[in-house]
Amino acid sequence: EDKVVQSPLSLVVHEGDTVTLNCSYEVTNFRSLLWYKQEKKAPTFLFMLTSSGIEKKSGRLSSILDKKELSSILNITATQTGDSAIYLCAVTETSGSRLTFGEGTQLTVNP
Amino acid sequence: DSGVTQTPKHLITATGQRVTLRCSPRSGDLSVYWYQQSLDQGLQFLIQYYNGEERAKGNILERFSAQQFPDLHSELNLSSLELGDSALYFCASSGGAGVSGELFFGEGSRLTVL
Repeated sequence: EDKVVQSPLSLVVHEGDTVTLNCSYEVTNFRSLLWYKQEKKAPTFLFMLTSSGIEKKSGRLSSILDKKELSSILNITATQTGDSAIYLCAVTETSGSRLTFGEGTQLTVNP
Repeated sequence: DSGVTQTPKHLITATGQRVTLRCSPRSGDLSVYWYQQSLDQGLQFLIQYYNGEERAKGNILERFSAQQFPDLHSELNLSSLELGDSALYFCASSGGAGVSGELFFGEGSRLTVL
């Protein structure tokens, strides 16, 4: 059974700090790893990383996939209070029939 | 706005009752996924339908069932409800039969069982 483990489960920082969120996975026939941000309700898509695209960046957010270590990190630089959310990591396998999610990291950014 | 619509947004009911949650996928999407999010378990995959047919099943209880109709909307039926069924139920959609890219999530239906 596919498994995704995220760490830390919660994190409290001050505005301007840089944070690194971790995700490790066990999946048969890995296809892709996705990061989502969940504020109040619906998760919203951030990045998708695959064997052919192991690094993505958008503004202050960036993510890297380490296929050897079966893990990924999500970096957020110069954090803002609006970054406060649950960050979810998920993986799919080649059948692509589902996303398997980790428990998420609850990030709180204080002013 | 993801384009995925879920109703109702909130639902309060008693143990032993039955409820139906409804989802309309994004226009043109053929796949619908149902997820359960509890406080202590994160997002758990329940079931996927593609173009009216069940395609994948996760940790869905026998008391739960789902279907996708010809107009591609989907319903999740929860019966003999227990306190532990209280959760946020998400529907998501995608274009193809599998997850080749992002899933688009609805706002969720919050179920409270008293």
